[in-house]
Amino acid sequence: ETGVTQTPRHLVMGMTNKKSLKCEQHLGHNAMYWYKQSAKKPLELMFVYSLEERVENNSVPSRFSPECPNSSHLFLHLHTLQPEDSALYLCASSQDRVNTGELFFGEGSRLTVL
Amino acid sequence: AQSVTQLGSHVSVSEGALVLLRCNYSSSVPPYLFWYVQYPNQGLQLLLKYTTGATLVKGINGFEAEFKKSETSFHLTKPSAHMSDAAEYFCAVSGAGSYQLTFGKGTKLSVIP
Repeated sequence: ETGVTQTPRHLVMGMTNKKSLKCEQHLGHNAMYWYKQSAKKPLELMFVYSLEERVENNSVPSRFSPECPNSSHLFLHLHTLQPEDSALYLCASSQDRVNTGELFFGEGSRLTVL
Repeated sequence: AQSVTQLGSHVSVSEGALVLLRCNYSSSVPPYLFWYVQYPNQGLQLLLKYTTGATLVKGINGFEAEFKKSETSFHLTKPSAHMSDAAEYFCAVSGAGSYQLTFGKGTKLSVIP
């Protein structure tokens, strides 16, 4: 496989469920990201992991919990979500700091919270 | 702090016509600027980027953009639209030393046969 792979592509969950989104990059990059894409809103950066550090958007609720066991894998653990969390969750990677390079995105995981 | 404004959430052009998608930004540091494209049911893909040097940058699929510092703009153009250009386009800005890539809300481009 090549590029950035996200699973599952679609997920429907109740507000009391616990689920996880998985992302894997095959590009040898050193940084990985979770973005939230909601209709009519700008993409929202949720978390960044790199060799140097983890960066998180302080506005992201604690019901979203990231995990990055190594430079190729990134998870987003979900628990007790709300209907407003329904969105497309995009994983991305970059060689180094994003500003001088480009982001490589996966196809996204479409989440619906009932 | 940085921000991006994309004028027009939806733009329609005829096949073969000029494509112009507008992007204005604000940045407290010299900006790095990007255009990404998202086709239905796919992730975002980089079209082109400006970091330093020549202000007119060329990207994939015949698109280009010009960085105009005096106008704080980075508009995306293509001389002749093709049906395959129908997608959503996102302008983004970042600054030196930052992981934060700030995106605009996107402009959906429709191409009319």
